[in-house]
Amino acid sequence: GAGVSQSPSNKVTEKGKDVELRCDPISGHTALYWYRQRLGQGLEFLIYFQGNSAPDKSGLPSDRFSAERTGESVSTLTIQRTQQEDSAVYLCASSLSEGHGYTFGSGTRLTVV
Amino acid sequence: QKEVEQNSGPLSVPEGAIASLNCTYSDRGSQSFFWYRQYSGKSPELIMSIYSNGDKEDGRFTAQLNKASQYVSLLIRDSQPSDSATYLCAVTEAGGFKTIFGAGTRLFVKA
Repeated sequence: GAGVSQSPSNKVTEKGKDVELRCDPISGHTALYWYRQRLGQGLEFLIYFQGNSAPDKSGLPSDRFSAERTGESVSTLTIQRTQQEDSAVYLCASSLSEGHGYTFGSGTRLTVV
Repeated sequence: QKEVEQNSGPLSVPEGAIASLNCTYSDRGSQSFFWYRQYSGKSPELIMSIYSNGDKEDGRFTAQLNKASQYVSLLIRDSQPSDSATYLCAVTEAGGFKTIFGAGTRLFVKA
């Protein structure tokens, strides 16, 4: 596609529920990244994919967070048993390869109530 | 812990002036450096990338890199009110796959 597509754009969920966030990168971009941005804060690295391999999962905050990617295509970020501190904008980005600048999606705003 | 430091601002400049944004980083092996612009409520947008020491110009924007001093800057000439945004400095770690973002500098350009 022309840009990085994320869905849903907004998600309100009850504490304790599981949520799944989706990212569709730019076609041909081999690298895909997930970041989290809390209100008024900077970008917090979560995970990186090169193809469908995740060489760096160091940013995942807890074992409630997991992510997968199908080939060089769609990625899903799953948060189990959501907590209020998970409320944030989750940003996905893709790049042509490592070391290149990113194109970000418009993000998923997650609110846990 | 590898870090990217920016002055949070706000930096306020009059329309038509030069805005100067600065950033320092801790990973001496870093090779790729970026500036992103983020409007309120929007996603970051890549505006400049720089990979070697010196200056790189693109329109009204100039990125400057000094690897010896571990310092990156962004100059915006002829600042416009539409340049008002948060500017994020980003540095890719040595090894090439993880990019660390600074917390951003808020810029206000007064008409």
